[in-house]
Amino acid sequence: GQSLEQPSEVTAVEGAIVQINCTYQTSGFYGLSWYQQHDGGAPTFLSYNALDGLEETGRFSSFLSRSDSYGYLLLQELQMKDSASYFCAVPPDNNNDMRFGAGTRLTVKP
Amino acid sequence: DSGVTQTPKHLITATGQRVTLRCSPRSGDLSVYWYQQSLDQGLQFLIQYYNGEERAKGNILERFSAQQFPDLHSELNLSSLELGDSALYFCASSEGAGELFFGEGSRLTVL
Repeated sequence: GQSLEQPSEVTAVEGAIVQINCTYQTSGFYGLSWYQQHDGGAPTFLSYNALDGLEETGRFSSFLSRSDSYGYLLLQELQMKDSASYFCAVPPDNNNDMRFGAGTRLTVKP
Repeated sequence: DSGVTQTPKHLITATGQRVTLRCSPRSGDLSVYWYQQSLDQGLQFLIQYYNGEERAKGNILERFSAQQFPDLHSELNLSSLELGDSALYFCASSEGAGELFFGEGSRLTVL
């Protein structure tokens, strides 16, 4: 089987930096993805890491360490609109579907 | 706009009834995934189809079934509905690993 662990809630202030961690267990590994979901909305893709290291896309970056089965999403220069739930996700060993963590609810305060 | 279309957007029905949710994937995507999201919960994987064939199955109840048609659209059938089936049902499509494109979801309310 597989499992993903991420914090349930994170709070930060506008302009700050926040890191959302994700640890995973899967018998095979095909990469770690991150998705954002605003309340009542559809999840939207943020990033995908197949190899170790940092991937940067604007204010958002994602990091992966395969040896530690660990990744994180880094959000910089936080804005109120970043308040949302963030999910890490991995395909299972057969690479046939995408399983999601329980999600981290980020609240950005003024 | 992700390019994935789900209908209906909202559905209210009674316990014991049966409903069908429909999904049209992005043009060219062969994989369709169904997820259930209950209030303030995560995304529970139900089932995946690839080019008409069932590829993977998650925590899908026996009362639920799905299929993908030759034109690649998919339907999720939910029967003998219970109050606990009330949730957002998302369809997603992809062409490969890493990125799923989600529809806006179908909100099912069972009364």
